[in-house]
Amino acid sequence: EVQLQQSGAELVRPGTSVKLSCKVSGDTITAYYMHFVKQRPGQGLEWIGRIDPEDDSTKYAEKFKNKATLTADTSSNTAYLKLSSLTSEDTATYFCTTERVTTAYYFDYWGQGVMVTVSS
Amino acid sequence: DIVLTQSPALAVSLGQRATISCKTNQNVDYYGNSYMHWYQQKPGQQPKLLIYLASNLASGIPARFSGRGSGTDFTLTIDPVEADDTATYYCQQSRNLRTFGGGTKLELK
Repeated sequence: EVQLQQSGAELVRPGTSVKLSCKVSGDTITAYYMHFVKQRPGQGLEWIGRIDPEDDSTKYAEKFKNKATLTADTSSNTAYLKLSSLTSEDTATYFCTTERVTTAYYFDYWGQGVMVTVSS
Repeated sequence: DIVLTQSPALAVSLGQRATISCKTNQNVDYYGNSYMHWYQQKPGQQPKLLIYLASNLASGIPARFSGRGSGTDFTLTIDPVEADDTATYYCQQSRNLRTFGGGTKLELK
């Protein structure tokens, strides 16, 4: 069974950056596009972007193009989300999720989510 | 961007039918498939896939859940509603990049 294990909760200062990890087990990461989704407290889901670990190609939602950077390490089966120039608007839970390369239709596996709190 | 619009909340009685709608500002059909999917999210949990490509039941999801629609109008139906179905339901499109609807919170009367 495929499982996604995300890194632990973060408390970070405004203006800094944070890098979150998402490790895939049970399958090779190159079988999936890896996506990240943001959810602010009490709010809905926002798609941030995705990376294809096979060739490191990325796509982002317009509003996250200057905020988020996606990378992947196939040797460790891990995808990463880096958030820069953090503000209180970035306080949220961030999920990673998979989309099979062979279908590219929907998100089938999800990480448990990681809470990022931006506060001085 | 493709924008997905859902009603914020819906209240139904146990054993009744719940119908949740999702409307898009652009057609999400392509080569015979409707690139619309539905997820359930309970508080403190990650979302769970219910329906993919508008009407296909995901693995392990009870047949009380069903989806239909095409083009710009889609619905998720739960019939009959059980107590465990109280959650927020999101539609999501994969026709162009990815976007989610705002979510519909299902409550019991």
